Amino acid sequence: GIQVEQSPPDLILQEGANSTLRCNFSDSVNNLQWFHQNPWGQLINLFYIPSGTKQNGRLSATTVATERYSLLYISSSQTTDSGVYFCAVHGSSNTGKLIFGQGTTLQVKP
Amino acid sequence: DAGITQSPRHKVTETGTPVTLRCHQTENHRYMYWYRQDPGHGLRLIHYSYGVKDTDKGEVSDGYSVSRSKTEDFLLTLESATSSQTSVYFCAISEGEETEAFFGQGTRLTVV
Repeated sequence: GIQVEQSPPDLILQEGANSTLRCNFSDSVNNLQWFHQNPWGQLINLFYIPSGTKQNGRLSATTVATERYSLLYISSSQTTDSGVYFCAVHGSSNTGKLIFGQGTTLQVKP
Repeated sequence: DAGITQSPRHKVTETGTPVTLRCHQTENHRYMYWYRQDPGHGLRLIHYSYGVKDTDKGEVSDGYSVSRSKTEDFLLTLESATSSQTSVYFCAISEGEETEAFFGQGTRLTVV
């Protein structure tokens, strides 16, 4: 099945810094989502982005499907950005199954 | 917020007992999913449903069964709970096969 790899696994930032999280996938995809899991365990939808670029406030995401990767940009980070960031994909060959990467754990220090 | 309710939210049970977790949605979405989340493994798909009485296995389906008799409810059953099934379980829904998925609040299950 499709493999999803996220990097880096852990990231520590000072408040106000910018960061880039990466998601690589091993096969073509029909769907890619980014989620934020907050310290209370809730999974929050950030982006649904099978291709192209989207922005939402301080966050933006870019998916280059032909090169099998997606990037999540966080600008001017805040302590509330702390948590785990997951990407998840529907592979073209395993439709119906949303497969997750291992996540990037982000800690933003005040 | 997507209308997804998981019950119970927390449960402690003994090894060997049956356990059923419920996911209820008010969005009339066709697809429903059960995941488990464990440290070091991220979220792994257990089973999913693509319609009433239509289900399929995910990555880690051994020891679990599911049922979907109504569009709004998707049940996950552990026939005989084991300590290795201690985990946080998440339900998700999506309108179509590869459309955006939304997650419930999660159920923390402890098997002692």
